[in-house]
Amino acid sequence: DGGITQSPKYLFRKEGQNVTLSCEQNLNHDAMYWYRQDPGQGLRLIYYSQIVNDFQKGDIAEGYSVSREKKESFPLTVTSAQKNPTAFYLCASSRGWREKLFFGSGTQLSVL
Amino acid sequence: AQKITQTQPGMFVQEKEAVTLDCTYDTSDPSYGLFWYKQPSSGEMIFLIYQGSYDQQNATEGRYSLNFQKARKSANLVISASQLGDSAMYFCAMREGSRGSNYKLTFGKGTLLTVNP
Repeated sequence: DGGITQSPKYLFRKEGQNVTLSCEQNLNHDAMYWYRQDPGQGLRLIYYSQIVNDFQKGDIAEGYSVSREKKESFPLTVTSAQKNPTAFYLCASSRGWREKLFFGSGTQLSVL
Repeated sequence: AQKITQTQPGMFVQEKEAVTLDCTYDTSDPSYGLFWYKQPSSGEMIFLIYQGSYDQQNATEGRYSLNFQKARKSANLVISASQLGDSAMYFCAMREGSRGSNYKLTFGKGTLLTVNP
């Protein structure tokens, strides 16, 4: 079955540490996205990529970095510069600009 | 200013009754799309329904329908014959811009729907 796989489901970060969240899709979608969700809040866009080797900052990109070396993969690194990283992170993909987003099951990141 | 406003933090409905979840949006772009997603306690986002700004008819998908009032900039989700499994967080979202110019999807803060037996 086609879909989006996010790993790990739970992740803990120590102070000063960078951590990387994995996102893989086998839907052959061009566009991929990373969203952050805080309790009681909607989703906020961190980064998105419309095509391989290209990505754009979203509304809250500071303290995060991404890469898009392969169509199937869009990993997100939460750097030590992100002072409040505890949140639920959702990866998504879409076939094109008008198409609906398909989401992964999310990664809960917490700070130790 | 918020692009998407969902004014109901929480809603309750009796099983088998219909419920309307409100969504208003703000855009000056004539081309946009509106989406509704459901998020159960598991966390995954499930697509429910889509309405394009140029669509002539209100969108429907099974028990879900969208009450699209363009002049009022509202896109309310109507769930008919509520089921216990409909209990979840519901998000309204908007994408603005013409083809190829904008892939960003902006979400509202959501409405928590609880279906009572």
